[in-house]
Amino acid sequence: NAGVTQTPKFQVLKTGQSMTLQCAQDMNHEYMSWYRQDPGMGLRLIHYSVGAGITDQGEVPNGYNVSRSTTEDFPLRLLSAAPSQTSVYFCASSKGTAIYNEQFFGPGTRLTVL
Amino acid sequence: GDSVTQMEGPVTLSEEAFLTINCTYTATGYPSLFWYVQYPGEGLQLLLKATKADDKGSNKGFEATYRKETTSFHLEKGSVQVSDSAVYFCALKVNRDDKIIFGKGTRLHILP
Repeated sequence: NAGVTQTPKFQVLKTGQSMTLQCAQDMNHEYMSWYRQDPGMGLRLIHYSVGAGITDQGEVPNGYNVSRSTTEDFPLRLLSAAPSQTSVYFCASSKGTAIYNEQFFGPGTRLTVL
Repeated sequence: GDSVTQMEGPVTLSEEAFLTINCTYTATGYPSLFWYVQYPGEGLQLLLKATKADDKGSNKGFEATYRKETTSFHLEKGSVQVSDSAVYFCALKVNRDDKIIFGKGTRLHILP
């Protein structure tokens, strides 16, 4: 199993550009989520999905879109990049929503918006 | 609301020292508690977990006991190694459909 994979590893954008961060998992996990990690802020939830065709907003959803057309993939779209979106982005998945289920994280995408 | 508070870092120790990273929580129900570790340049990975009061989670020499009376889940290791240098996150989950709530992380530096 590859686990949770993310591409790209690094990206530099100019303000106003759009892009998609890719996330895929091969563990047949129902639950997938996107976080951003900023210094001193810990991890903040952007969007999450409890299954194909279902998405919902997390703590900081503004400026981001997601879709879940398959169980495996959960891309994160930045509609019009802003410097405030400079961050490290992590995708995570878990088998389900039970309270004892651990989350598996991808290696992250480091995004810089100029 | 539900929250996790962990000691601020960075924590710097010499190799073979005893480690404690404090974590306390506030929760309306009976949460599961987790410690995740993030090594440099990587994503988070589960270190250990406990799902009910008085449970002890353990892995790689690390331990944490779920203390309901003090709402704590402190991480301990008897003898740290340089390879333990990382950021450690305490986390909780209260209800089935709720999200995992993470603390802000504690950076640990181990000196040889």
